[in-house]
Amino acid sequence: AQTVTQSQPEMSVQEAETVTLSCTYDTSESDYYLFWYKQPPSRQMILVIRQEAYKQQNATENRFSVNFQKAAKSFSLKISDSQLGDAAMYFCAYRSAINTGTASKLTFGTGTRLQVTL
Amino acid sequence: EPEVTQTPSHQVTQMGQEVILRCVPISNHLYFYWYRQILGQKVEFLVSFYNNEISEKSEIFDDQFSVERPDGSNFTLKIRSTKLEDSAMYFCASSRSQYEQYFGPGTRLTVT
Repeated sequence: AQTVTQSQPEMSVQEAETVTLSCTYDTSESDYYLFWYKQPPSRQMILVIRQEAYKQQNATENRFSVNFQKAAKSFSLKISDSQLGDAAMYFCAYRSAINTGTASKLTFGTGTRLQVTL
Repeated sequence: EPEVTQTPSHQVTQMGQEVILRCVPISNHLYFYWYRQILGQKVEFLVSFYNNEISEKSEIFDDQFSVERPDGSNFTLKIRSTKLEDSAMYFCASSRSQYEQYFGPGTRLTVT
């Protein structure tokens, strides 16, 4: 079974600064997807960024980028130019890419609460 | 932009009662999911659904739970006899393919 670990329960960053959230995972599969989801106080889960394991290039979405290290099974999220609206819980998630014609579940980490200060 | 919707946003029920949580997935999506999040904890997978049948279910998804897609738009989660420990946020999600899943805003279930 796959596991996802987020070792930072809480992080804090000043507005306009950069912060990196860590995520490691364990799997025996070679093909999979990794995601970062944001959960603001409203508790809605919002997709931030996605990475396919077969791609060596790190995914980027505006101020959000990842550092994907497949051999180390590490998938960190970097938020540049942090804004007050970035304050939320961030969850790392894993999804198998094995296509069995069925719906593959997401396995989540325990989350990192990000505070953004002035 | 299309989105997943869920009703109700908050449901309060007494222990032992049946509840039905409703979801309308994004219209051209084929894969449907239910997850739950107990307050302060991580999001846990309950069940996935494709081609009108359950694809996978977790250990949490016991005989008290069932899912249904009664028509072309709704996807429901039924809990037959609620327990105090069923109190949680329940999220519906849908996806078009093997890629990202889109989540609804959640239903907060409180069992008293």
